[in-house]
Order: sequence, then structure tokens, then C-alpha cells
Amino acid sequence: GAGVSQTPSNKVTEKGKYVELRCDPISGHTALYWYRQSLGQGPEFLIYFQGTGAADDSGLPNDRFFAVRPEGSVSTLKIQRTERGDSAVYLCASSLNWFRASSEDTQYFGPGTRLTVL
Amino acid sequence: KQEVTQIPAALSVPEGENLVLNCSFTDSAIYNLQWFRQDPGKGLTSLLLIQSSQREQTSGRLNASLDKSSGRSTLYIAASQPGDSATYLCAVRLGNQGGKLIFGQGTELSVKP
Repeated sequence: GAGVSQTPSNKVTEKGKYVELRCDPISGHTALYWYRQSLGQGPEFLIYFQGTGAADDSGLPNDRFFAVRPEGSVSTLKIQRTERGDSAVYLCASSLNWFRASSEDTQYFGPGTRLTVL
Repeated sequence: KQEVTQIPAALSVPEGENLVLNCSFTDSAIYNLQWFRQDPGKGLTSLLLIQSSQREQTSGRLNASLDKSSGRSTLYIAASQPGDSATYLCAVRLGNQGGKLIFGQGTELSVKP
């Protein structure tokens, strides 16, 4: 079946602008995660959703970052007043359940959105 | 605070060699550990997931082991091939912090034909 999809694949914006990044998880997956990956580094956790609610947003760097998942499926990561330091690849992942000790815990990642802030 | 470290940062080997990638973590109270592969410009592909109660997992030429008490995991790749060239990432999930993963910085593997 279809995997996790993210749009756009690339986004170039100017400092101070607002951007939205979209994630379509695998159908039926209740958990959705956002990570940010800088060049040469591993992904860094931002936020995750169980259903429609943000279960843990402790990784969001500041209040310019916000994410929603209004219907428990598609999620949008929103960044206000972008800064050059926000440039990175933003990865989305989904899993069937996060609280089951089984292979259902496996996170499946999308291809990412490369954000460049000029 | 959980920290995950991968050594080496980069590795180059000739085709056919068996190799080991290392991952260490500072907090042994993990829920599971996952190994991923990342190709340039692509997302992550899950290779193996080891639950905290398990010692190892195998898939084809890949074998991952987990030693919680020492805070270590290894990914063993047998008979390496040029197609194995990629960055390999390990990630741990803590038992008390929901589903988020904490990643190492990765090992960039190059297998020369």
C-alpha cells in the first residue's frame, strides 16, 4: 500500500515568511511524528500525535512552530517568521500504535520536506 | 537525558567484507531500539526493531544485537554489497516518553566494488 507522503518535497522561502509542511500518514496509523534533520545529523524529535491530540510537543524549539492533526489523519507543521536556522529536512513518520510492544510500534518515514530559508 | 552515539561516523570497506556498526546509549531504560537505513535525499527505512526483552533480531544478511545493561547495540552486515552503501541510524525509544525516538548521528557506509 501507499507509504507516508510529504508535500512539498522542497520549499524555499525568505526569512520572516510563514510556511506549512504537510504529511499524509499510512492509512489506519493512529500515531504520527514530526522530526527535523540537519545536515550530517540524526533526526531530532519535534512532536507526536496520538489520534488528533498532540501527545508530546516537547521537541518544538519555540512558539514559532506549531502542528495540527484535526481529523486524526493528515498533519500540518506550521512555522511562523522563518529564520535561516530553520533550514533542515523535516521528516514525518507514522506507526500503527505507539503503546503496543510489537512490530506495530515500527515507525515508517516519509521522504521529507527540504526547507531552505534564505 | 538520553544520548545516543554511533561509531564510526563513516566507514569504507571493499565488497564482500563482513562489518559491524556500533550504537551506544546512556539510559538503559529503553522500550526498544530500531536500526534504520537512509539513502541520500531520501527518508528512513526501518531495518530491524529489537524490543527491550529481546537480545537480537535477524533479517537476511543483517543481524542486530542489544545489550541493555551495557547500553550497546550492534548491527552486523554480512557479505557487504555496493547496494548497502547508505547512512545507518540507530534510535531508541524510552519507556516513559511515549513513542518518540532519539537518534544517533548515523554511520555513513560506503562499500566499494
